[in-house]
Amino acid sequence: QVQLQESGPGLVKPSQTLSLTCTVSGGSISSANHFWSWIRQHPGKGLEWIGYISNSGSPYYNPSLKSRLSISVDTTQNQFSLKLNSVTGADTAVYYCVRAYGAHSWFDPWGQGALVTVSS
Amino acid sequence: QSVLTQPPSVSGAPGQRVTISCTGSNSNIGAGYNVHWYQQLPGTAPKLLIYGDNSRPSGVSDRFSGSKSGTSASLAITGLQAEDEADYYCQSYDSSLSGSVFGGGTKLTVL
Repeated sequence: QVQLQESGPGLVKPSQTLSLTCTVSGGSISSANHFWSWIRQHPGKGLEWIGYISNSGSPYYNPSLKSRLSISVDTTQNQFSLKLNSVTGADTAVYYCVRAYGAHSWFDPWGQGALVTVSS
Repeated sequence: QSVLTQPPSVSGAPGQRVTISCTGSNSNIGAGYNVHWYQQLPGTAPKLLIYGDNSRPSGVSDRFSGSKSGTSASLAITGLQAEDEADYYCQSYDSSLSGSVFGGGTKLTVL
């Protein structure tokens, strides 16, 4: 059974880069037709799709974040990563890493989530 | 403002049936893209509840069902139980945004 776990700093200063890594266990990140995704949830708010990367390494980004965003995959470590630069307080959120069954598909399973606070 | 529109809240008494609507447009639900539903219990990550409009993952109670028509979809919960109290989100794909979109979420209160 595939499990995902986020890791990274819980506190980031404004204007700096938010970096998170998701470790995938119980399955290969190279599995066909899987898209490795990041989704965030602002405190007390709904879910926002950030972007995903296909098993072949092609990234797809939310247009509202695209200029600041990079998602990459490391198949040797069975991990994928998120980098969001020039952060502000509006980027404070719980960040989830999730597996998607294709670009138009559903998200399952979800990591437990990592709270990242942007503050000086 | 979410691309998919859900009512902020719904409520029902134990044993009753409730429905949660999810309204989209011709670039997402109306274009034929599947709708998926998630349940988020307090303090936990969302959990897949319905995928592909009306399919349940293994382990999800048959009290939960999904449907879709035109530019809208619905989640129905029958035999309401206290443990169903949670936030529910719909999700689809939007061709204009070239990405996944979520509804704003609906808080279900069991009276």
